[in-house]
Amino acid sequence: QSVLTQPPSVSGAPGQRVTISCTGSSSNIGAAYDVHWYQQLPGTAPKLLIYGNSNRPSGVPDRFSGSKSGTSASLAITGLQAEDEADYYCQSYDSSLSGSGVFGGGTKLTVL
Amino acid sequence: QVQLVQSGAEVKKPGSSVKVSCKASGGTFSTYAISWVRQAPGQGLEWMGRIIPILGVANYAQKFQGRVTITADKSTTTAYMELSSLRSEDTAVYYCARGESSTGSLDYWGQGTLVTVSS
Repeated sequence: QSVLTQPPSVSGAPGQRVTISCTGSSSNIGAAYDVHWYQQLPGTAPKLLIYGNSNRPSGVPDRFSGSKSGTSASLAITGLQAEDEADYYCQSYDSSLSGSGVFGGGTKLTVL
Repeated sequence: QVQLVQSGAEVKKPGSSVKVSCKASGGTFSTYAISWVRQAPGQGLEWMGRIIPILGVANYAQKFQGRVTITADKSTTTAYMELSSLRSEDTAVYYCARGESSTGSLDYWGQGTLVTVSS
């Protein structure tokens, strides 16, 4: 049972827009901790996709965007491409766990 | 260019310990946190703990308290994660990752180390 809740799977056709939600609580996302998003392609290490709720590291396409409101956050992917098929994880920290890091359970994105 | 290079795969017996290393290069080692994250086969990511080398202070996820020890050697820019009392459920890929100072995002990751616990 993950501290942050994500849908297990989402899907979309090429060119479409999908969103992945990440729901937390008042001790993590709602406590003003930043939310970060990672993309994990099969057999590889996770890669930072969005940091500080809505910022993209250099090299990440602007098709990826993040937002945060209250105790939830979202990752949006527009103009879906086949290479976006991957697992996506949200991550934050939790004050009720002495500031430990916490992850969502992950969302498998399938490009139809 | 920041790089984190981890030690190789390990096979361990139940009840034993494993120590995984993470050699950092290309950045200022001491002032960033190094976190350890694991991923069991077919499962999600799990945060285990972190250390800030310049402080030498580590904090751990409650689940691993008493079983995990994270250390750092500033002279060799290497971090270590030791997990004791291994059981089959500890079979996983273990990753180290650098924690960015202001946001806490994990901006660089090691390649992962597979630890297999089997009798």
